[in-house]
Amino acid sequence: RKEVEQDPGPFNVPEGATVAFNCTYSNSASQSFFWYRQDCRKEPKLLMSVYSSGNEDGRFTAQLNRASQYISLLIRDSKLSDSATYLCVVNGGGYQKVTFGTGTKLQVIP
Amino acid sequence: DGGITQSPKYLFRKEGQNVTLSCEQNLNHDAMYWYRQDPGQGLRLIYYSQIVNDFQKGDIAEGYSVSREKKESFPLTVTSAQKNPTAFYLCASSIARGDGYTFGSGTRLTVV
Repeated sequence: RKEVEQDPGPFNVPEGATVAFNCTYSNSASQSFFWYRQDCRKEPKLLMSVYSSGNEDGRFTAQLNRASQYISLLIRDSKLSDSATYLCVVNGGGYQKVTFGTGTKLQVIP
Repeated sequence: DGGITQSPKYLFRKEGQNVTLSCEQNLNHDAMYWYRQDPGQGLRLIYYSQIVNDFQKGDIAEGYSVSREKKESFPLTVTSAQKNPTAFYLCASSIARGDGYTFGSGTRLTVV
């Protein structure tokens, strides 16, 4: 099993739709979790940290399920500008234990 | 504005050449990192540095070298020993272990 797994997509959704991505991780001792957004041929940018209690930032909601070892990202009212690849990142507790997923590609269609 | 500057944006290397990628940050972050991104793969850690004058190998350090003489700077040298260097190289920094990263805009290295 890979340390961090994401469905590569692409997820093609119409504008205004709600879309959710999951990311599973194998290390039950993982300590911190993040979602990054990466536009084509650009650097990843931190979208949000994922807290145990769940957290929301505008149209974006991130949740952590430790029992089932996955994190999720929910995007409501999708915009064309949300089109990007979303990377999940899991920190297993050390500099060398930060693992990036391969990303889920989202395409929002007019 | 604070951030990380990587240069050059594009770099072409002949076989057998060493090349150095620059990374400078003015965020006052202690930790800095070098990652490599290949199509269809997650970012892979090459080297990281927690403080000045200290750095550690990551998962794919072979064929690469780094230095950390100043807090702001963490250059990466891709040596001729790296057999497949064509990739997108990303430098990042963080305040401390466990925090989210800020990335530079990357350097695309191509072997010609």
